[in-house]
Amino acid sequence: DAGVIQSPRHEVTEMGQEVTLRCKPISGHDYLFWYRQTMMRGLELLIYFNNNVPIDDSGMPEDRFSAKMPNASFSTLKIQPSEPRDSAVYFCASSLVQGHSVQYFGPGTRLTVT
Amino acid sequence: AQSVAQPEDQVNVAEGNPLTVKCTYSVSGNPYLFWYVQYPNRGLQFLLKYITGDNLVKGSYGFEAEFNKSQTSFHLKKPSALVSDSALYFCAVRDMSGGSYIPTFGRGTSLIVHP
Repeated sequence: DAGVIQSPRHEVTEMGQEVTLRCKPISGHDYLFWYRQTMMRGLELLIYFNNNVPIDDSGMPEDRFSAKMPNASFSTLKIQPSEPRDSAVYFCASSLVQGHSVQYFGPGTRLTVT
Repeated sequence: AQSVAQPEDQVNVAEGNPLTVKCTYSVSGNPYLFWYVQYPNRGLQFLLKYITGDNLVKGSYGFEAEFNKSQTSFHLKKPSALVSDSALYFCAVRDMSGGSYIPTFGRGTSLIVHP
């Protein structure tokens, strides 16, 4: 398996623009997670899905953030409109359903909003 | 509720010396415990986990961790550090008796191994 795939790897955009981050989880995994990493706040869980259904989005910072998982092999995280404070590295991860299952992380998308 | 603490933002060690990265946790029941490593410009990678059984868990790259229930700790160790071990290390915990299947991650500890 190729692992968790994220695109783009880098994104530079201007404030106010819409940004869409994409993720393909490992085939057969039941859970998908979106994280944000910054120096100030560390690693934050934004939202996670189980069998394509959003379970907990309490970590999504504002209504400007939205996430979808239309099928088992694809998820998006959208920011509209983007702001400079959204600059961060966004990770997607997937895992199996067992409680002690390992999360497999993608390489991340480095987002810069100017 | 479940929580995890990594009390050191940074650990410095000389190459060849033993290293320890500390982690303490809090859960209502029994824990599942994990260590992950993040190299620069990469995603987190799994190192090892404790589920049950032997308190000493061995993982990738020569790392091991010791589960201590009385001290609620799960420190990461390696007998002889390499410069290539320099990275960010995350501890994570999941309460076996909790309703959530999702682990909680610590803030991470930056390990710097000096030549």
